[in-house]
Amino acid sequence: KNEVEQSPQNLTAQEGEFITINCSYSVGISALHWLQQHPGGGIVSLFMLSSGKKKHGRLIATINIQEKHSSLHITASHPRDSAVYICAVRARGNEKLTFGTGTRLTIIP
Amino acid sequence: GAVVSQHPSWVICKSGTSVKIECRSLDFQATTMFWYRQFPKQSLMLMATSNEGSKATYEQGVEKDKFLINHASLTLSTLTVTSAHPEDSSFYICSAEGLGARDEQFFGPGTRLTVL
Repeated sequence: KNEVEQSPQNLTAQEGEFITINCSYSVGISALHWLQQHPGGGIVSLFMLSSGKKKHGRLIATINIQEKHSSLHITASHPRDSAVYICAVRARGNEKLTFGTGTRLTIIP
Repeated sequence: GAVVSQHPSWVICKSGTSVKIECRSLDFQATTMFWYRQFPKQSLMLMATSNEGSKATYEQGVEKDKFLINHASLTLSTLTVTSAHPEDSSFYICSAEGLGARDEQFFGPGTRLTVL
């Protein structure tokens, strides 16, 4: 079992729909990252969370430390949101990140 | 957020040649830099962790003599793929974390290496 699991693996939605991507992990963590990777390959760091909730524009990230679960939400989705979204966690006492396998999101106009 | 750049963004080379990839933190001092490799449709795989002024720590299975990492300053780390072969073709990504930004890693845009 991977330490970090994401669901769904693939998601296709219509423009304007509300999107939720989930991430579950099995270790105690000091931080959780949500990353976005576009087809060209470059990675953008969207959020770093250690508790609670963060919002940036149409993106919202939440984390429940007790349940070892985080969600990334996209409101009013747009085709430019099409990308791979990756969850990564930093275990307590470890500087390395462990990555989920990613969720490929496609937003259809 | 902080900016990390990589150069070149893509490179094509002949088998047997060496290729150097640079990773720079543009607006912060990167005490630690990470080098990742990503194969198509797979997640990032950590190759090595480098701290400024000391030798890099390589992950199991990564040949340190083939993938030379230097982190000589707080703003620059380099990865040199020596005697590159077609199987080294991949997407190489660096990330950096630094002073005043504990736990947050900032990622570079990546370098696509193609070895012919």
